[in-house]
Amino acid sequence: EAQVTQNPRYLITVTGKKLTVTCSQNMNHEYMSWYRQDPGLGLRQIYYSMNVEVTDKGDVPEGYKVSRKEKRNFPLILESPSPNQTSLYFCASSFTRQGNGYTFGSGTRLTVV
Amino acid sequence: QQPVQSPQAVILREGEDAVINCSSSKALYSVHWYRQKHGEAPVFLMILLKGGEQKGHDKISASFNEKKQQSSLYLTASQLSYSGTYFCGTGGKGAQKLVFGQGTRLTINP
Repeated sequence: EAQVTQNPRYLITVTGKKLTVTCSQNMNHEYMSWYRQDPGLGLRQIYYSMNVEVTDKGDVPEGYKVSRKEKRNFPLILESPSPNQTSLYFCASSFTRQGNGYTFGSGTRLTVV
Repeated sequence: QQPVQSPQAVILREGEDAVINCSSSKALYSVHWYRQKHGEAPVFLMILLKGGEQKGHDKISASFNEKKQQSSLYLTASQLSYSGTYFCGTGGKGAQKLVFGQGTRLTINP
């Protein structure tokens, strides 16, 4: 089944404790992206990647890191999480060629206390 | 810059029609529409590319006016399953990078 898999689905952590949210897709998509969703603000892009070893900042990159060493994986790293990073996170992927819709993962609800 | 969606929320009875608008201050080359049900991931509905086309499937269609830098999503004879939050995502030239609007919550009552 074609899908984007995120793990974990739920995570509660403490301020300053490094964490990684994983994202993997099995559709051979070149493009992958991370979004955070907060009430009233919609989906805001954190980072995106056009292909392996090519990443760029989105609109709200502060406090986050990403890497794209393999085509299928695009992990999101929070080196020192803070409470304002409490949010619902979505990974999405697509073919690069314009005209293709995004496939979203199921989401990761992160709480930083 | 985020596109602006209107209205922010709408409540309808089953069978009524709805229009959701998406406006951008930047030139648009593509507009995506997604629906998100509570607690779930957004699901792709359709994409419109530069050219002023109109698309649709079933009773959901959309238009794209590149001169006005806006798109509209039309839901006719709404069904209970149409309930959810609708997002437009706008793209610039030659890129898959999308900027999403803040969403429109649609509630369909029996």
